Amino acid sequence: DFVMTQSPDSLAVSPGERATINCKSSQKVSYSSNNKNYLAWYQHKPGQPPKLLIYWASTRESGVPDRFSGSGSGTDFTLTISSLQAEDVAVYYCQQYYNTPWTFGQGTKVEIK
Amino acid sequence: QVQLQESGPGLVKPSQTLSLTCTVSGGSISSGSYYWSWIRQPAGKGLEWIGHLYTSGNTNYNPSLKSRVTISVDTSKNQFSLKLSSVTAADTAVYYCARDRSGGGYNDYWGRGTLVTVSS
Repeated sequence: DFVMTQSPDSLAVSPGERATINCKSSQKVSYSSNNKNYLAWYQHKPGQPPKLLIYWASTRESGVPDRFSGSGSGTDFTLTISSLQAEDVAVYYCQQYYNTPWTFGQGTKVEIK
Repeated sequence: QVQLQESGPGLVKPSQTLSLTCTVSGGSISSGSYYWSWIRQPAGKGLEWIGHLYTSGNTNYNPSLKSRVTISVDTSKNQFSLKLSSVTAADTAVYYCARDRSGGGYNDYWGRGTLVTVSS
């Protein structure tokens, strides 16, 4: 299985500041033939289902605020929240869909400082 | 707007079979190139993909659960189902159903989740 490792496990950021979450895959999750990275990001708030934020590593899902952005390729990826808002407090997960079984990172908890 | 809703027993005895149903509303389960997924989250832990199904009947399961899992579809009811046999306490989790966009592996619509506890 592909092991997805996120860092840090948690972070506290002041409102309006940048939050950066890293995700590293144990193997490449991209095909050179199509130059696509099979990596998604989700936001998960307590009592709610996970919400898709980003897919193909950098494509923002419809309706997701543009303060959320994804980057990276190969094995190393980043989710950036450019200006943290109170409503962004949640656990964030990366997920690879390059090869089944699809696997998720362990999650990164984002809090307000 | 597509909506998904999980239903089923919240308590299952060890060694028995866990059975859940996901009802899809706001669209036909047979339309589009979607797969339909089950994902679970044990308390305090991360997300685990259980498997998915295409309405043609094609399925793909997590090898760690494959011997115990069956995902099936009832297009007439716009539902798909999960059966997990021989459950233990380790199967206690919140179970989510979700839509897998185009079989690509990322899930764009999710149910709210249902807690299933395995206990005697």
